[in-house]
Amino acid sequence: AQSVTQPDIHITVSEGASLELRCNYSYGATPYLFWYVQSPGQGLQLLLKYFSGDTLVQGIKGFEAEFKRSQSSFNLRKPSVHWSDAAEYFCAVVPMDTGRRALTFGSGTRLQVQP
Amino acid sequence: DVKVTQSSRYLVKRTGEKVFLECVQDMDHENMFWYRQDPGLGLRLIYFSYDVKMKEKGDIPEGYSVSREKKERFSLILESASTNQTSMYLCASQELASTDTQYFGPGTRLTVL
Repeated sequence: AQSVTQPDIHITVSEGASLELRCNYSYGATPYLFWYVQSPGQGLQLLLKYFSGDTLVQGIKGFEAEFKRSQSSFNLRKPSVHWSDAAEYFCAVVPMDTGRRALTFGSGTRLQVQP
Repeated sequence: DVKVTQSSRYLVKRTGEKVFLECVQDMDHENMFWYRQDPGLGLRLIYFSYDVKMKEKGDIPEGYSVSREKKERFSLILESASTNQTSMYLCASQELASTDTQYFGPGTRLTVL
């Protein structure tokens, strides 16, 4: 079945440490790939997206993501986490071959940042 | 900046009541979506619309309906609210293509007692 998986429900990192949030997808063709962030009490904000081309994508707030076709993954990274990065992060996809425009989301990863 | 507004941040209703959740976007976007967000499940698509008076069922449409009489407004209707519809509801708008960014409203947290 087509799906988006975020294997980590909750991650805690220290401020200044590096971060990697995992996302795997299961689709016949590589879908369009997105990362969104939801800060407490806020709506979702797009961090970055990948459609084609360079497999390392730069986003806002110092985030980047790497698309790896062989692993069906699109992991989100940040070299040095700030306390304001504490939030919930969602990986999402739009299949390329169905005409569907709505996003299909993973279950989310909640990031906690320790001082 | 795109702005998507939702009529209420918090709403408390009783079982059996008819509930209207309103969403308005100010960027003349063609596409609008309603999602519900539940812990551990992420966001799931309820209904979407690609044009005025057009609507399509999403992945979990049961118990919901929608209305899009004007391009900027997309309403979600719970005909007879039930406790299992207690959730966070998020509206989004998108310009046209599937690669265009979806812009989300702040959400409405609905509690059905």
